[in-house]
Amino acid sequence: AQTVTQSQPEMSVQEAETVTLSCTYDTSENNYYLFWYKQPPSRQMILVIRQEAYKQQNATENRFSVNFQKAAKSFSLKISDSQLGDTAMYFCAGGSYQLTFGKGTKLSVIP
Amino acid sequence: DTGVSQDPRHKITKRGQNVTFRCDPISEHNRLYWYRQTLGQGPEFLTYFQNEAQLEKSRLLSDRFSAERPKGSFSTLEIQRTEQGDSAMYLCASSAALSAALTLLSYEQYFGPGTRLTVT
Repeated sequence: AQTVTQSQPEMSVQEAETVTLSCTYDTSENNYYLFWYKQPPSRQMILVIRQEAYKQQNATENRFSVNFQKAAKSFSLKISDSQLGDTAMYFCAGGSYQLTFGKGTKLSVIP
Repeated sequence: DTGVSQDPRHKITKRGQNVTFRCDPISEHNRLYWYRQTLGQGPEFLTYFQNEAQLEKSRLLSDRFSAERPKGSFSTLEIQRTEQGDSAMYLCASSAALSAALTLLSYEQYFGPGTRLTVT
């Protein structure tokens, strides 16, 4: 059984500022992976960043980084230097083959 | 490299009719997944294939739903006797073949644009 919780339904950030989106998860699996996906309005889901649960080192992809706290079962996404194109729904997901998604956080970047 | 494609993009049908959706995965990917996404929610897993074999089905996949991947390439999802509760976005995703080292790349799922189904 697996659950993914995103506690922030909506967030906003000024352009060029930094924002952190929260995610907590619970799983009975030993081998699992965590992902953040971005879904712009009326557009398809895009993989933003991934993290292997057995790795201690936090993943980074350009302006996107994660803070993975395995003991706390927390997997937050930090977006630095926010851009208008970052406006989207952001989904946290976990699993191996079968992904479980959170309900999403709607992020608005304000000019 | 073309991404995952889905057809049709939109489908409006009357309650009780049957509908079929198609998904074409990224060409070298041997795993294919179906998810359903309703308004304001994250995607929910329905089923997945490795090559031609359907390996897992969610309890969300009622008897009215059937998925196939006959040649291990494209997949179809059929809904029989549609109900208004079936209205949703149906998403397809694919992931790369397993490597001997079982790298993370094998678990990254790439999504198509989805088929939006409206049942009237």
